Amino acid sequence: DGGITQSPKYLFRKEGQNVTLSCEQNLNHDAMYWYRQDPGQGLRLIYYSQIVNDFQKGDIAEGYSVSREKKESFPLTVTSAQKNPTAFYLCATDAGLRNTEAFFGQGTRLTVV
Amino acid sequence: RKEVEQDPGPFNVPEGATVAFNCTYSNSASQSFFWYRQDCRKEPKLLMSVYSSGNEDGRFTAQLNRASQYISLLIRDSKLSDSATYLCVVNQAGTALIFGKGTTLSVSS
Repeated sequence: DGGITQSPKYLFRKEGQNVTLSCEQNLNHDAMYWYRQDPGQGLRLIYYSQIVNDFQKGDIAEGYSVSREKKESFPLTVTSAQKNPTAFYLCATDAGLRNTEAFFGQGTRLTVV
Repeated sequence: RKEVEQDPGPFNVPEGATVAFNCTYSNSASQSFFWYRQDCRKEPKLLMSVYSSGNEDGRFTAQLNRASQYISLLIRDSKLSDSATYLCVVNQAGTALIFGKGTTLSVSS
């Protein structure tokens, strides 16, 4: 099936550890995005990429890093510099064209223990 | 910076009611507009794209007013299953999707 896959669904991290969240898509979409959602809040943009080997910071990039070495993959690393990492992380893709919808993965719920 | 603003909600309505959500956006260069639905602890899913001419899908009607930079969603004959958070989304080609904070709808019997 075509789609976007995030893994893992649930992730627990000890303070001070870096963790990497996976996002893979087989929709042949150029654009990929990472959002963070806190309880009762909207989606805030962390990073996005419009093309392979290029990405841009979003509104809350501090404490996060990404790479876009392949079109299909856009992993997000939550570093120890991110002071409040507990959140719901959503990856999305779209074709990068006007009026095309975005598709979301099922999300990764990260908890710092 | 509040690029996309929505009615704060929550909206609590009985089954069968008609409810309207509003959304304003600040960037006049925005080109694409959507309404997404998000259920609790799930990912957002596309409800409708929004076009200048307006569009309707069953009980749902979306309108775009570019001059006022305003988007609306009307839900007629509300069902219990309509209970969710509705997200207004705005995009320009070549940039990221910008989400509103969402409006929560609760439909009761």
